[in-house]
Parts: sequence; C-alpha cells; structure tokens
Amino acid sequence: DTAVSQTPKYLVTQMGNDKSIKCEQNLGHDTMYWYKQDSKKFLKIMFSYNNKELIINETVPNRFSPKSPDKAHLNLHINSLELGDSAVYFCASSQEPGTYEQYFGPGTRLTVT
Amino acid sequence: GQQLNQSPQSMFIQEGEDVSMNCTSSSIFNTWLWYKQEPGEGPVLLIALYKAGELTSNGRLTAQFGITRKDSFLNISASIPSDVGIYFCAGQAYSGAGSYQLTFGKGTKLSVIP
Repeated sequence: DTAVSQTPKYLVTQMGNDKSIKCEQNLGHDTMYWYKQDSKKFLKIMFSYNNKELIINETVPNRFSPKSPDKAHLNLHINSLELGDSAVYFCASSQEPGTYEQYFGPGTRLTVT
Repeated sequence: GQQLNQSPQSMFIQEGEDVSMNCTSSSIFNTWLWYKQEPGEGPVLLIALYKAGELTSNGRLTAQFGITRKDSFLNISASIPSDVGIYFCAGQAYSGAGSYQLTFGKGTKLSVIP
C-alpha cells in the first residue's frame, strides 16, 4: 500500500493554463505539506496544513492555492501557469506539525511549455 | 531565511570505498535529518539526530549532530551500487505559531562505480 500518493506523476501543459495536483496519505497523519524541487534539486517548502488548517505559507505566488478537503488529502491548484513553475512537486505528511519524520510522495513532474 | 551549505555537491567513488558528506548552517537547529532520494522518487528518511553531539548509526550509515548544533555529517561505509542517489541534509527549527519547519540542503549526488 502506498503511504503518500500523488496524481498525476507527470503533467505537461501550456503557459496560462490552470492545473491541479492531488495528494492523499493513508497514514492517519494530521499534517501535510507541499514542496517544490527545482531543476537543481533544491527542495523548498511551499505550504503546510495541520488538520485542514494552513499553518505555513511560504513566499509563493498567489497563483498557487492549496486545498485540504479532509485530513487525508491536500491538493495543489495552480492558476495561469508560467514557464518558471516547471519543477517536481512533492507532497509529504507527518504526525504533528514539523515532526522530523515526514513521509514524501513520489512527486509530480510539472512541465510548462 | 535559514540556509544550509551541503558539500560536496557530487561524488564519484569506487564500490567498497567509504563516503563522507556534511552540512553547515549559520543558524542553530533542534534536529538534523538525512534523507536519500533515488531517481523518480521522493526523499526517504535515513537518520534523525536530536541532540548536540549525538552519533547515530543505521547499518552502514553513521551521522552526527555537531556540538554547536550548526552542522552535521553523514558517513557511508563500504559503498555499494545501490547507494547511488542524492543525499539531503535537513535542519528542523521552530518557525513560530507552534510549528516547526524543515530546511533542506542542496544535496550531494553520489555515484558508485562498480
């Protein structure tokens, strides 16, 4: 069974489009995260949700909007996609906010053309 | 924001050799973590360190939390081909409003020559 899953695995789209990435965890964790990994493999946190409440919102464009319908899901919606949004996006979860043991999903490779 | 300097950026070693990589920070962290990322996968936690001076092993991996709480190293002994991947250090610190945050290093890409 996959602990943290993301869909889609790959996403290729054109500039200006709106797209969503979905994340689900079956670990019963309270906290979920979105990270962005750029072409140089640098991992940076974007958002953190605890019990469906936003607790970390790093400096990301407001074109990025996370939505947590329940504790097990944290989706990422991106409006008006730009070339610079191309990256791998990772979802992660942990039992408590910021707990060291964060479990990562397999990633979604987004390519904006 | 906090930054972690991880070195080396990449390593090419012969199978059987030992490997050492480290991370330094200008800030103090409560916890140091080491992750491994294989191609097409998400990072997987290898070792977590909680106290300054702590030395922890996980099989052939050994990591230490520096006394100053601003650095950590990871050693891999007797490397094997499946050790290939990108190794990330990460520091955890309090970020306010009751939450903690992970800051990642830029990674060390390890290649093992059979």
